[in-house]
Amino acid sequence: SQELEQSPQSLIVQEGKNLTINCTSSKTLYGLYWYKQKYGEGLIFLMMLQKGGEEKSHEKITAKLDEKKQQSSLHITASQPSHAGIYLCGAASGTYKYIFGTGTRLKVLA
Amino acid sequence: EAGVAQSPRYKIIEKRQSVAFWCNPISGHATLYWYQQILGQGPKLLIQFQNNGVVDDSQLPKDRFSAERLKGVDSTLKIQPAKLEDSAVYLCASSLGTQGQPQHFGDGTRLSIL
Repeated sequence: SQELEQSPQSLIVQEGKNLTINCTSSKTLYGLYWYKQKYGEGLIFLMMLQKGGEEKSHEKITAKLDEKKQQSSLHITASQPSHAGIYLCGAASGTYKYIFGTGTRLKVLA
Repeated sequence: EAGVAQSPRYKIIEKRQSVAFWCNPISGHATLYWYQQILGQGPKLLIQFQNNGVVDDSQLPKDRFSAERLKGVDSTLKIQPAKLEDSAVYLCASSLGTQGQPQHFGDGTRLSIL
């Protein structure tokens, strides 16, 4: 079965620093989604990538999907305390199945 | 646009008791999902509905969990009887369709089993 592995598991950065979170799939991704979750809350949809080599940006967050469609990265430029939370990648595994990675916990120090 | 609504937000019960969660998806969203998220882990899909039909319930512990979406709109998830390992956040999500559509999540119900 397909699995999503995220790295790092946790990250502590100083405000203003850049950071990257990776999501690696054991199989080709048909669709890759990035979500952010704050403790005790639901997941907030950030971006969706479907094509190999695709890159999308929203404010200071950029997500990329590699050409082979097995790895995605999420890059935050000039991090702020508001970026803190848990970042999860999710993917469509087969026709109807959705799976999620275990998440990356980000803490931004002011 | 109103988001996915879930209730209650928190629930504390003793083991072997029953509990039910409710979810109202975004208007017009045909697909509804229930996830279980254990602390420190990503969400695990329990059941997926397309309108009022079940698309995938392969990871639903059917001896104790049940879910329905009778009119193809809101849905309920029930646990009977609850076990200690059911302590988790239960998330409901909805999307317009299945393939290629992002899911929109509610705030979840945090269930604690004593």
